[in-house]
Amino acid sequence: QKEVEQNSGPLSVPEGAIASLNCTYSDRGSQSFFWYRQYSGKSPELIMSIYSNGDKEDGRFTAQLNKASQYVSLLIRDSQPSDSATYLCAVEKNNNDMRFGAGTRLTVKP
Amino acid sequence: GAVVSQHPSWVICKSGTSVKIECRSLDFQATTMFWYRQFPKQSLMLMATSNEGSKATYEQGVEKDKFLINHASLTLSTLTVTSAHPEDSSFYICSANSGPTEAFFGQGTRLTVV
Repeated sequence: QKEVEQNSGPLSVPEGAIASLNCTYSDRGSQSFFWYRQYSGKSPELIMSIYSNGDKEDGRFTAQLNKASQYVSLLIRDSQPSDSATYLCAVEKNNNDMRFGAGTRLTVKP
Repeated sequence: GAVVSQHPSWVICKSGTSVKIECRSLDFQATTMFWYRQFPKQSLMLMATSNEGSKATYEQGVEKDKFLINHASLTLSTLTVTSAHPEDSSFYICSANSGPTEAFFGQGTRLTVV
């Protein structure tokens, strides 16, 4: 079992729709969870971080965490073509030891 | 946010030569930096954890004699790919933590070995 699992996609949504990205992790002791966006050939950039169960909203982005189910998701509302990228889920196992999922490729069609 | 600078952004080298990649934290001190490798259409894979003033910790399957890591100061870590081969061609990314959890990434280095 991979430590962090994501559907590789591609996930395609029309402009203005909600994009839903999912991630599961294996280490039940993980405490910190992150979503990174990576454009092709570029370094990842942090989109959201979440540390406690529930929802965390930042603009068009909402991260959801359910530690009991070992599940974290990212919702992108009003998706824009500029949101087209690979989204990486990252889980911090212990202090500073971060593991990444394989990433989900999102395409937002105009 | 914190800034991590990585240099060079891209490099082409001949097979058998060595290449050094630098990773600097510009506005904070990083006792720990991380080196990742990313092959096309794959996720980041942790290669090693670089600790200031001590030996790096390598992930299983990563050759420490091939990928030399030096973390001589609180703001600089270097990765040297020795005797590079075409299969070492990849995107190498460093990251550093400015606080307890949040990681900041360098711009990445595209290495092509011909």
